[in-house]
Amino acid sequence: DVKVTQSSRYLVKRTGEKVFLECVQDMDHENMFWYRQDPGLGLRLIYFSYDVKMKEKGDIPEGYSVSREKKERFSLILESASTNQTSMYLCASSPINLGQGNTEAFFGQGTRLTVV
Amino acid sequence: AQKVTQAQTEISVVEKEDVTLDCVYETRDTTYYLFWYKQPPSGELVFLIRRNSFDEQNEISGRYSWNFQKSTSSFNFTITASQVVDSAVYFCALTSYYNQGGKLIFGQGTELSVKP
Repeated sequence: DVKVTQSSRYLVKRTGEKVFLECVQDMDHENMFWYRQDPGLGLRLIYFSYDVKMKEKGDIPEGYSVSREKKERFSLILESASTNQTSMYLCASSPINLGQGNTEAFFGQGTRLTVV
Repeated sequence: AQKVTQAQTEISVVEKEDVTLDCVYETRDTTYYLFWYKQPPSGELVFLIRRNSFDEQNEISGRYSWNFQKSTSSFNFTITASQVVDSAVYFCALTSYYNQGGKLIFGQGTELSVKP
């Protein structure tokens, strides 16, 4: 069974802390994505990566960074957590699109982060 | 710019009723993909369907059916004879044909509650 696994379901952190959200996929996918989900806003793309050590900004990258040192792992970093980063964070992966039309993405179960 | 609108925030039905979830999109791309995902209480987004802009045929899968109309930029989802297990948040999403799968623009989501 294919899987995208996020290291924590729930996290509570203090304002100003450095926070790491980890995501691992076992499908050998080239692409990985981080989204945040907020009520009334749906999911919004934070960052994505097409390959190891590559990253691109999504629609809302401010306050976040990412790291992809290995193909299977994609980390989201909150350098200095703030209360407005309290949200549900979802990781996804997909195989590379070589021009034949893209495929669906596979999502993890989400990490609900609360910053107090 | 691309945009997806799901105007229905919450829908509540009684088991065995039919229910339609609306999705309207905006894009300047001539070729694109549309998706529906289901998010049960466990949090993980589950892929339901992908439809490319070349193909306006409606699709039926068991109790699920999808109506794609390019003329009205809509991609509506109908559940026939709803069941309690259909209770979830449903997301419609859009991406350009040549984007990497997973680089999606999501609607706000519709929370469906099916009561016994």
